[in-house]
Amino acid sequence: EAQVTQNPRYLITVTGKKLTVTCSQNMNHEYMSWYRQDPGLGLRQIYYSMNVEVTDKGDVPEGYKVSRKEKRNFPLILESPSPNQTSLYFCASSLAGDGYTFGSGTRLTVV
Amino acid sequence: AQSVAQPEDQVNVAEGNPLTVKCTYSVSGNPYLFWYVQYPNRGLQFLLKYITGDNLVKGSYGFEAEFNKSQTSFHLKKPSALVSDSALYFCAVRDMGSSNTGKLIFGQGTTLQVKP
Repeated sequence: EAQVTQNPRYLITVTGKKLTVTCSQNMNHEYMSWYRQDPGLGLRQIYYSMNVEVTDKGDVPEGYKVSRKEKRNFPLILESPSPNQTSLYFCASSLAGDGYTFGSGTRLTVV
Repeated sequence: AQSVAQPEDQVNVAEGNPLTVKCTYSVSGNPYLFWYVQYPNRGLQFLLKYITGDNLVKGSYGFEAEFNKSQTSFHLKKPSALVSDSALYFCAVRDMGSSNTGKLIFGQGTTLQVKP
């Protein structure tokens, strides 16, 4: 089944403890993105990647890192999480940017 | 600046009545337009898209949307609403202008409530 898989689905962590949210797609898509969803703000792009080793900042990149060492994986790294990064995170992928498949989401709480 | 606006936080309709969820956009180049739906505790599901061609686009679950270039709108419609259509709906646009990065810009979302 064609899908984008994120892990974990739920995560509670403490301020400053490094964490990684994994994202993997099995559709051989070039484009991958991370978004965060906050009430009243819709989805905002954190980082995106147009291909292997090609990544760039989205609208809200502060406090996040990504890597794209292979086509299928696009992990999101929070080196020192803070409470304002408490949010619902989505990974998405697309073959050519004309239709995106989203993962099921990761609900992160930073205390 | 690129943007998407969904002017209504919530739309309430009775089951069986037609529904419209509004979306307007602003981009510098030609737009690719999308509608997604999000059910509680779920990810975003693709409903439909406009790339080019016929201004009336048909999608999943009986939904359709009309692209109106002069009004820069892409309203989502359904002739007869179901209670199961109750969800959060997002409009999104991809700017196909010179800085084509594949980025989707989302509206803030509209909650659709269909009452029996």
